[in-house]
This record gives sequence, structure tokens and C-alpha cells, in this order.
Amino acid sequence: EVQLVESGGGLVKPGGSLRLSCAASGFTFSSYSMNWVRQAPGKGLEWVSSISSSSSYIYYADSVKGRFTISRDNAKNSLYLQMNSLRAEDTAVYYCAREAVVVPAAAYFDYWGQGTLVTVSS
Amino acid sequence: SSELTQDPAVSVALGQTVRITCQGDSLRSYYASWYQQKPGQAPVLVIYGKNNRPSGIPDRFSGSSSGNTASLTITGAQAEDEADYYCNSRDSSGNHPTWVFGTGTKVTVL
Repeated sequence: EVQLVESGGGLVKPGGSLRLSCAASGFTFSSYSMNWVRQAPGKGLEWVSSISSSSSYIYYADSVKGRFTISRDNAKNSLYLQMNSLRAEDTAVYYCAREAVVVPAAAYFDYWGQGTLVTVSS
Repeated sequence: SSELTQDPAVSVALGQTVRITCQGDSLRSYYASWYQQKPGQAPVLVIYGKNNRPSGIPDRFSGSSSGNTASLTITGAQAEDEADYYCNSRDSSGNHPTWVFGTGTKVTVL
């Protein structure tokens, strides 16, 4: 059974840092690109960042570029998101999601974690 | 970057059919995927690719696309289908590949 379990969320002051983790199990983690998606309270889903299976390709949403860093450790079946210079608008539930591809034109997120809440407030 | 636009809310009578649409330029190049999200829960994939359902998703859910518009249809809506629905696709309009989510549609089953 595929499982994604996020951790590391919490309350942090503006300008502070936080590191999120996502522990993966039930599949060959090193074969899949992984993503972070967030959802502010009462709002829609927002893609944050993606990382390819071997970390060769890394992309960020403009809203977090230069402040967030995505990484992975395939030996530990883990995905990370280092979040620096946090702002109130970064307050959200952060989900990790596995990326699947049927053909290049048909990619999607087939498994999601339960999410971890990050609150940025003084 | 591209945007995907959805109607904010739709309602459907129990057992009837409802169609949710998603419009955006990225859909001319990429298929949409669709996610169901119930309050306090993580999103769940319901449709991907041309019209594929993951294991466990009822066949009352179907997808289609034409031009810059993708649609999710629920045929014979059930009470448990009441949820928020989001479309999603890759987006290559910028300097690097990204993903874009739709604005979301709240489906109410009457």
C-alpha cells in the first residue's frame, strides 16, 4: 500500500524557517518524481515545487522561488521542503504528492499524504 | 504562467448528472486530471489522462476534453459525491515546466 506521511509543520514567526519531511512507503520511491502542494485555509490547491526521481530536475512556483528548497533522499525514501524567510501568506496545509505519467501529455498526482499544517504568525 | 478556471459552485439533485468544466490554455497541450476533496481530507484523484479512473473510483465519474476545456461528469450523483473538485495540468508556458490547479468547484448534492 502506497503511503505518504508528512511531518514538520507547526507555528513559526514571520522570517523564520521550517523543514517539512514526507516519508514514503509501499512503492519504489527512487522511480518517481515528487511534489509539494499547499492549501491555504479556506482556499484552493497551489502547486509549490517538484523534484525528479534522481533530483536532476527541480522546479518551483514563483511564489516560493528563492525561499524554499526541495530535496530528497532516495536511500531514506524521504522528500523534504526547506522553507526559509516565511511569510504570513505561506500559512497552509502542505501535502506531498507522487507524480505519475501515462504519456508526457497525461501526468497527474496519484497519491497524496494527509498534509501538515504550517502557520506563520507572530 | 497559465490559469485554470472553474465555476465556483454547482448543485445537482440526487441521482442526476452534473458536469464541471475547467478552462485554460495549458489544456490545449496537456490532459487535465481531476481531484475530489472532502472537508478536512487530502485530495483524491478521480480522473486522469483521456478518461481514466483509478482503482476504486466509481464509474459514474468520467472525463472529457475539447480544445482548452476539460470536463468532469458525475452521472447519477450520490450524496457522498458532495465535495470540492479541482482540475490540474502541467503547464509549459513559462521558462520551466510547472503545474497549475483550477480554482475549484464546490459540488452540492440536493
